[in-house]
Amino acid sequence: AQSVAQPEDQVNVAEGNPLTVKCTYSVSGNPYLFWYVQYPNRGLQFLLKYITGDNLVKGSYGFEAEFNKSQTSFHLKKPSALVSDSALYFCAVRDVFTSGTYKYIFGTGTRLKVLA
Amino acid sequence: DARVTQTPRDKVTEMGQEVTMRCQPILGHNTVFWYRQTMMQGLELLAYFRNRAPLDDSGMPKDRFSAEMPDATLATLKIQPSEPRDSAVYFCASEGGKDNEQFFGPGTRLTVL
Repeated sequence: AQSVAQPEDQVNVAEGNPLTVKCTYSVSGNPYLFWYVQYPNRGLQFLLKYITGDNLVKGSYGFEAEFNKSQTSFHLKKPSALVSDSALYFCAVRDVFTSGTYKYIFGTGTRLKVLA
Repeated sequence: DARVTQTPRDKVTEMGQEVTMRCQPILGHNTVFWYRQTMMQGLELLAYFRNRAPLDDSGMPKDRFSAEMPDATLATLKIQPSEPRDSAVYFCASEGGKDNEQFFGPGTRLTVL
């Protein structure tokens, strides 16, 4: 079965420093990978996705993620963190069934805290 | 801009009462998901629909939960009877195509006393 792992419950980074939020996945076919962000008392918001093509994907708010097939990773990165980036980040993979239907599997989330 | 709406935003009820949560997906989106979020379990998929037909409700307790799409503009999630362990934030999300991302609503915070 497909799965997603976010090994860190929380990541702390100083404002202005680069940040990385880790995600690894397990899929049986070509992965569809997503990153979402959740601010307090809000729904999840889409940041970026990888379906095919360039391994480096750029998304909203200056975030990017690199798809690494050999390491089965899809880490989220940003060159310079802002205090306003503090939020809960979710990695997700699309699990596709032989019937053609699919559903998403979300990681457990990583809380990012950017310190001023 | 287009967004997913959910009502009510907050619901406090007593154990045994019926709870109905509603979701209006983005116009034109043909796939709708219901999720539940708790501190202990994280984000769980309860059910989802495509073109109003239920495709997967394996994540939903069948004895008390039911999900429907009476029309393309409305999805409902009903709990009857509610229990304290159902306390959570329930999210609806819609998607416009298989290569597209999900758009989440603001959630319904349910508290069952």
